[in-house]
Amino acid sequence: KAGVTQTPRYLIKTRGQQVTLSCSPISGHRSVSWYQQTPGQGLQFLFEYFSETQRNKGNFPGRFSGRQFSNSRSEMNVSTLELGDSALYLCASSLAGEYQETQYFGPGTRLLVL
Amino acid sequence: GDSVTQMEGPVTLSEEAFLTINCTYTATGYPSLFWYVQYPGEGLQLLLKATKADDKGSNKGFEATYRKETTSFHLEKGSVQVSDSAVYFCALRGNNNNDMRFGAGTRLTVKP
Repeated sequence: KAGVTQTPRYLIKTRGQQVTLSCSPISGHRSVSWYQQTPGQGLQFLFEYFSETQRNKGNFPGRFSGRQFSNSRSEMNVSTLELGDSALYLCASSLAGEYQETQYFGPGTRLLVL
Repeated sequence: GDSVTQMEGPVTLSEEAFLTINCTYTATGYPSLFWYVQYPGEGLQLLLKATKADDKGSNKGFEATYRKETTSFHLEKGSVQVSDSAVYFCALRGNNNNDMRFGAGTRLTVKP
């Protein structure tokens, strides 16, 4: 079974631009979560989608948004990029997002904002 | 809110040494507990998990026991290898919410 895939793997943008990252979950998984990883803040939860609905959201500004499609693929968008948005963005999927389930992570998209 | 505190690194060991990485948690209810490992340039991989008190998770020689009385989930391995060099994250997911909470991560370096 194929794992979680994320595209693109690397991205360079400038301040003020916007960016869209994509995540394809493991086949059959309906829950997709997004995390931001930085050296200073560690791993921080962005949001979780299940059946095309945002079910949970972390403490990030409204510039960070996401969506999920009917095939469970998910995208996240960051508008008006800031230097501090430079990070590794990780996507994780699980069957139904229940607390006992394992989340399977993709390799991440490394975003650099100049 | 729910949180995880894990031993700060970095940790440097010689091959075949014993490893312990401490992890304690704060949570209401009965969370599930996880250890993930991250190799350079990669995402996180599940190492092991436990979903109820006294459960022991194990994988690739690593073990951790869910101790509710001490709110701990310490990671141990009897004999580390150079290939175990990575960053290890302790995490929990509470049964009253859906987001995973991670510790700060512990970087382990094993020298031959």
